[in-house]
Amino acid sequence: DAMVIQNPRYQVTQFGKPVTLSCSQTLNHNVMYWYQQKSSQAPKLLFHYYDKDFNNEADTPDNFQSRRPNTSFCFLDIRSPGLGDAAMYLCATSGLTLNTEAFFGQGTRLTVV
Amino acid sequence: AQTVTQSQPEMSVQEAETVTLSCTYDTSESDYYLFWYKQPPSRQMILVIRQEAYKQQNATENRFSVNFQKAAKSFSLKISDSQLGDAAMYFCAYRSTFTNAGKSTFGDGTTLTVKP
Repeated sequence: DAMVIQNPRYQVTQFGKPVTLSCSQTLNHNVMYWYQQKSSQAPKLLFHYYDKDFNNEADTPDNFQSRRPNTSFCFLDIRSPGLGDAAMYLCATSGLTLNTEAFFGQGTRLTVV
Repeated sequence: AQTVTQSQPEMSVQEAETVTLSCTYDTSESDYYLFWYKQPPSRQMILVIRQEAYKQQNATENRFSVNFQKAAKSFSLKISDSQLGDAAMYFCAYRSTFTNAGKSTFGDGTTLTVKP
């Protein structure tokens, strides 16, 4: 039944060591989002894909990149994780109809040591 | 740019009682969508209820209802007959009809505790 799946649920990485988080969806949604959420704060949008069109938020650090090889999969790459990048990373999808909600994955909790 | 404000970082309610979570937003748009999401501890965020701005009638989903005041830009969530499973962080979200791909803006959330 899982519709948006994030792997892994927990990720520990070393300071400065590249890490990739993955997200897959079975909803065939056109739009996929990556959010960063720290300590019970509001999710902060990093970027989103509208089909293959990549849209970066203005304040997303260059350290964060994303790939969407097909409709079902999307990846978040953190090139050189710093201690400040430790957070929960949420993947979400939505369809093109604007009154539809976003469907979220369970998130990946990233720890940087 | 739109902003969403949830002025109550934490709320608590006795089981079976009613609680209201507040949300205000700022926008110059006339047409938009509003959502309440629930994020239980260590579980994924899910939709609780949605409201379309052009509809005057307040949305209702079982024990959950909203009080949508468009002129006041207020969108509060009422939870009736609170249950232990309602304990979670609740986020209010605004979705524009004009921005690319309908990105949502979230409030900072309200942590709801339900006391048995």
